[in-house]
Amino acid sequence: GQQLNQSPQSMFIQEGEDVSMNCTSSSIFNTWLWYKQEPGEGPVLLIALYKAGELTSNGRLTAQFGITRKDSFLNISASIPSDVGIYFCAGQLVTGNQFYFGTGTSLTVIP
Amino acid sequence: SQTIHQWPATLVQPVGSPLSLECTVEGTSNPNLYWYRQAAGRGLQLLFYSVGIGQISSEVPQNLSASRPQDRQFILSSKKLLLSDSGFYLCAWSVPLRKLFFGSGTQLSVL
Repeated sequence: GQQLNQSPQSMFIQEGEDVSMNCTSSSIFNTWLWYKQEPGEGPVLLIALYKAGELTSNGRLTAQFGITRKDSFLNISASIPSDVGIYFCAGQLVTGNQFYFGTGTSLTVIP
Repeated sequence: SQTIHQWPATLVQPVGSPLSLECTVEGTSNPNLYWYRQAAGRGLQLLFYSVGIGQISSEVPQNLSASRPQDRQFILSSKKLLLSDSGFYLCAWSVPLRKLFFGSGTQLSVL
């Protein structure tokens, strides 16, 4: 399978701060997805990206499809306690039906 | 609207016992279906995916197998569980919109 490197592995931030995380791959993807997972639950889709350079927002979340098509970025502005969870990136290869996942970024927001 | 059902939510099985996890999707036809496994605090590993009835692709050779007896039904099985089969198992579906949606997961403990 494909290896997606996601960083940082964990983040501890103060409420109100902005958050940035990224995901890189050695392969070219035609789709990048960003998810949030809370303990004991399935990941929930936050943002989907389909074109190089695409910038998409969902409330305080903004994600970008890297122009090399091998990376993607997620930003969370003005973090709040309910942003706590593990954030995953996922990519789909140009040739194939598989979705591969990053290693996750654990976010802790300190009130 | 589309929904995905996965059961059971929790399962404790002895080593050497068989396994059957079931997943069904409602509100869509001919979805791609996926089984992922997640070790505690880790990323999601793609195990199997299916693009149609009876069509199964395996990503990782292991002690598990998958079947798709009906269009919206996906089953994960094992004849004899190993300790290393413990984990959080997630079923997911996608359609040509290139988004992936997850079920609520099954926490499997093999003792």
